[in-house]
Amino acid sequence: AQSVAQPEDQVNVAEGNPLTVKCTYSVSGNPYLFWYVQYPNRGLQFLLKYITGDNLVKGSYGFEAEFNKSQTSFHLKKPSALVSDSALYFCAPTSTGFQKLVFGTGTRLLVSP
Amino acid sequence: DTGVSQNPRHKITKRGQNVTFRCDPISEHNRLYWYRQTLGQGPEFLTYFQNEAQLEKSRLLSDRFSAERPKGSFSTLEIQRTEQGDSAMYLCASSSGLAGGPETQYFGPGTRLLVL
Repeated sequence: AQSVAQPEDQVNVAEGNPLTVKCTYSVSGNPYLFWYVQYPNRGLQFLLKYITGDNLVKGSYGFEAEFNKSQTSFHLKKPSALVSDSALYFCAPTSTGFQKLVFGTGTRLLVSP
Repeated sequence: DTGVSQNPRHKITKRGQNVTFRCDPISEHNRLYWYRQTLGQGPEFLTYFQNEAQLEKSRLLSDRFSAERPKGSFSTLEIQRTEQGDSAMYLCASSSGLAGGPETQYFGPGTRLLVL
């Protein structure tokens, strides 16, 4: 079974400050982990993924995520937030042998000027 | 590379009517996925195709739902006898289908369905 938890419904951060959006997961088998972002009334945009290799993954728009196998976490980070980063962020795990992504309820990021 | 397109973008229908949505994947992508997203929730997997073969269906996909991908290119999702609970955003995604394992899925803009 696959599941995901994003413990914070909302994260508030001031522009220019670092941001972290948390994600923990549970999968059977080797984890494949994805982050997507959704703007209002839009589809999902791919940010980054972890398949194997380096635990620090760099993605689009300056975002990065750190895979921690012992803590089963894949937190999304950005060194300096922009107001335009305000959106809904989804962590989506899957694993070997599965094609479907499992989404949680997401975390809303609000970046204030 | 024009991205995944979905039509229509919005659909309003009355309860009991049938509706059909279309998804055109990224050119040359062999895998196509359908998800449903209700208000305040993340997307939920419905089904996926490898070329024209439908390989997995979620239990969410009741008998009233059917999806096809007849020529391995575009796909249609039909809902028969719509119910108010079907109101949601229906998202389509595609991936290359070249990797043996899970791949990056690229999503379309979605079709928002409102059942009155």
